[in-house]
Amino acid sequence: NAGVTQTPKFRILKIGQSMTLQCTQDMNHNYMYWYRQDPGMGLKLIYYSVGAGITDKGEVPNGYNVSRSTTEDFPLRLELAAPSQTSVYFCASSSQGTEQFFGPGTRLTVL
Amino acid sequence: AQSVTQLDSQVPVFEEAPVELRCNYSSSVSVYLFWYVQYPNQGLQLLLKYLSGSTLVESINGFEAEFNKSQTSFHLRKPSVHISDTAEYFCAVTPSGGYNKLIFGAGTRLAVHP
Repeated sequence: NAGVTQTPKFRILKIGQSMTLQCTQDMNHNYMYWYRQDPGMGLKLIYYSVGAGITDKGEVPNGYNVSRSTTEDFPLRLELAAPSQTSVYFCASSSQGTEQFFGPGTRLTVL
Repeated sequence: AQSVTQLDSQVPVFEEAPVELRCNYSSSVSVYLFWYVQYPNQGLQLLLKYLSGSTLVESINGFEAEFNKSQTSFHLRKPSVHISDTAEYFCAVTPSGGYNKLIFGAGTRLAVHP
């Protein structure tokens, strides 16, 4: 099993550009999550999903959108990139009541 | 709502010395507790977890943590650290029986020196 995979690994965006961060898991987990990690701040939950077609906001959803059309995929969309969205983004998945498995992360810089 | 406080942002220690990384949480409901480790430029890996049962939980690489409900703490300990333990450690909490939405502490950077 590949576990949780994320693409791209690195990306530089200009202010106002848009992009999609991809996340795929092959463990048949119902729950998937997007976090952002800022220096000294730990991880903050952006959005999560409890199954295909069901998504909900986390702590810091502003400026982001998600969709969940399949169990495996949970893309994160940035519509109008801002410098405040410079961060490392982690996708994770889990079954109910168990640990979360994290992807390797996407390092995004907005200039 | 839940919150997590990791009391030390950095912990320097010499190799083979003991270490304790402190974690306190706040919650009005019962919770699951986790310690995750992040090595440089990598994602997070689960180190150990408390879901129920014995309050002392252990990892395969010598770490242990004890759930103390009265003190709302989940401190991480290792009796003898190695250079390879150098990493960032995150304590996290989620309400038991929920959607596993993790609330993380700010992290503790453990630096093991020879």
